Amino acid sequence: GENVEQHPSTLSVQEGDSAVIKCTYSDSASNYFPWYKQELGKGPQLIIDIRSNVGEKKDQRIAVTLNKTAKHFSLHITETQPEDSAVYFCAARLMEYGNKLVFGAGTILRVKS
Amino acid sequence: GAGVSQSPSNKVTEKGKDVELRCDPISGHTALYWYRQSLGQGLEFLIYFQGNSAPDKSGLPSDRFSAERTGGSVSTLTIQRTQQEDSAVYLCASSLLAGSHGYTFGSGTRLTVV
Repeated sequence: GENVEQHPSTLSVQEGDSAVIKCTYSDSASNYFPWYKQELGKGPQLIIDIRSNVGEKKDQRIAVTLNKTAKHFSLHITETQPEDSAVYFCAARLMEYGNKLVFGAGTILRVKS
Repeated sequence: GAGVSQSPSNKVTEKGKDVELRCDPISGHTALYWYRQSLGQGLEFLIYFQGNSAPDKSGLPSDRFSAERTGGSVSTLTIQRTQQEDSAVYLCASSLLAGSHGYTFGSGTRLTVV
């Protein structure tokens, strides 16, 4: 919850445009940051993750960047498609919470065609 | 199995009744987690099992909630004397190890208390 903040809560983009979702975290010792996509009626699915020893990771149209100094990380989706419409959750493994993942509140992404 | 399996997928119960929700994690995953997701909301941590260690129950909202994990595999989440505010989707996840691996979630059990 409050130890991982996620913005924006909703995001509408035109098909083909890029979408960026940002998260900040509180624990400087955190070392693992996954992103999940949740479609209606389904459980969250891991789409990409990054560890603290790298600053950026890409997988086709999605990428994640990490700024450890500023304690924030972002999800970038390029060339958005209608099937990208879903709820996206960031998470951080917070040592102060017993090494568990703490999730952001989620971002509803709508891709308009 | 290939993924995390939860049953039932939907459960409607009367206020005051007890319910049991089941989770079959991925074979070999030592860590198992329960989360609750209310309509349009985020993921609320409930409880976490890691191997033979004592479970982390810090997220359970009241003593009406309990969970067990038998034989390091299947887990059951029990809600006693259900209330309407218990209505939510209950998600189970497992991971190979706690610490540096992502979670694999099941599809959840949608609980409706009427």
